[in-house]
Amino acid sequence: NAGVTQTPKFQVLKTGQSMTLQCAQDMNHNSMYWYRQDPGMGLRLIYYSASEGTTDKGEVPNGYNVSRLNKREFSLRLESAAPSQTSVYFCASSEATGGRWETQYFGPGTRLLVL
Amino acid sequence: SQKIEQNSEALNIQEGKTATLTCNYTNYSPAYLQWYRQDPGRGPVFLLLIRENEKEKRKERLKVTFDTTLKQSLFHITASQPADSATYLCALDRAAAGNKLTFGGGTRVLVKP
Repeated sequence: NAGVTQTPKFQVLKTGQSMTLQCAQDMNHNSMYWYRQDPGMGLRLIYYSASEGTTDKGEVPNGYNVSRLNKREFSLRLESAAPSQTSVYFCASSEATGGRWETQYFGPGTRLLVL
Repeated sequence: SQKIEQNSEALNIQEGKTATLTCNYTNYSPAYLQWYRQDPGRGPVFLLLIRENEKEKRKERLKVTFDTTLKQSLFHITASQPADSATYLCALDRAAAGNKLTFGGGTRVLVKP
């Protein structure tokens, strides 16, 4: 099993450009998440999808959109990138069978630099 | 507001000693707390989960305690090794928030041979 995969690994954008970060998991997990990680800020939840067909905002959703394409894939889109969106983005998934004691499995991250 | 605090200063420790990390929280009533390890350039990896009704949990050389009265968790690495050098993150669930976690900023541990 590959676990959680993310593409691309690294991206440089100019202010105003758009791009989509891709995430896929092969663990048949129900829930998927997008986080950003900035120095000293920890991981902050951008959006999550509790199950296929549903998405909800997290702590820092402004400037982002998401699509839960199917059970495996969850993409994050920046419509008009801003320098403040320079960060490392992590996708994660969890089984989410109904219990609250869920561990999350993370991808390797996408490093995004917005100039 | 809800807050999770981990020591942002790196913890330098000699090989063989016990490293102790702290996770303090305010304005939470978490049902459980998790600890993750993150190596440079990689995503976090789950280590241990402890529930609110558990005082202590162990896994090999790792031990976690959870004191809901003090609103604190301690994470211990016994007989530390250079391979234990990494950043360690604590994460708590948020009441009525399903499976979403809130993470602390992490503490970097450097084990010197």
